[in-house]
Amino acid sequence: DAGVIQSPRHEVTEMGQEVTLRCKPISGHDYLFWYRQTMMRGLELLIYFNNNVPIDDSGMPEDRFSAKMPNASFSTLKIQPSEPRDSAVYFCASSWWKGNHNEQFFGPGTRLTVL
Amino acid sequence: GEDVEQSLFLSVREGDSSVINCTYTDSSSTYLYWYKQEPGAGLQLLTYIFSNMDMKQDQRLTVLLNKKDKHLSLRIADTQTGDSAIYFCAEKGGGGNKLTFGTGTQLKVEL
Repeated sequence: DAGVIQSPRHEVTEMGQEVTLRCKPISGHDYLFWYRQTMMRGLELLIYFNNNVPIDDSGMPEDRFSAKMPNASFSTLKIQPSEPRDSAVYFCASSWWKGNHNEQFFGPGTRLTVL
Repeated sequence: GEDVEQSLFLSVREGDSSVINCTYTDSSSTYLYWYKQEPGAGLQLLTYIFSNMDMKQDQRLTVLLNKKDKHLSLRIADTQTGDSAIYFCAEKGGGGNKLTFGTGTQLKVEL
């Protein structure tokens, strides 16, 4: 298995532009997580899905952020409009239910820079 | 909400033992995890411990859990330069399937 795949790996955009980050989870995993990592705030959970359904989006910063999971093999995180404070590394992770244990497998991340 | 705290930096000499500490607040934690992040990469699971255990050993790694004090530690024996990375502690509460991560500890191994 190729692991969790994220694209693009790097994104540079200007303030006000729409940004779409993409994630392909590991085949067979039924949970998908979106995280944001910054020096100031560390690793923050933005939203997670179970069987393509959003379960907890309490970490989504504001209405400019939206996430979708149209099927088991694809998810997007969209920022519209983007702002410089959105600059961060965005990670996608996936896992499957193994009793009560939850090993999350992380993708390599997308480094977003908003100018 | 749940909170997980770690010290930010640790520096050790190659060959010494490293001990990374973590405290958490969620008394309903069921599993606790240690993840490693190398530069430019995502997090990778190192080891985990169930909350009814107080110790787990896996080769050079030893995890100690003091549930009463809500304190978790990771000991790396014979630390190597390849162990230089950021180490994250994480806890899974009793409900839901999300993890709460600590701030991460940057481990620097010096020759």
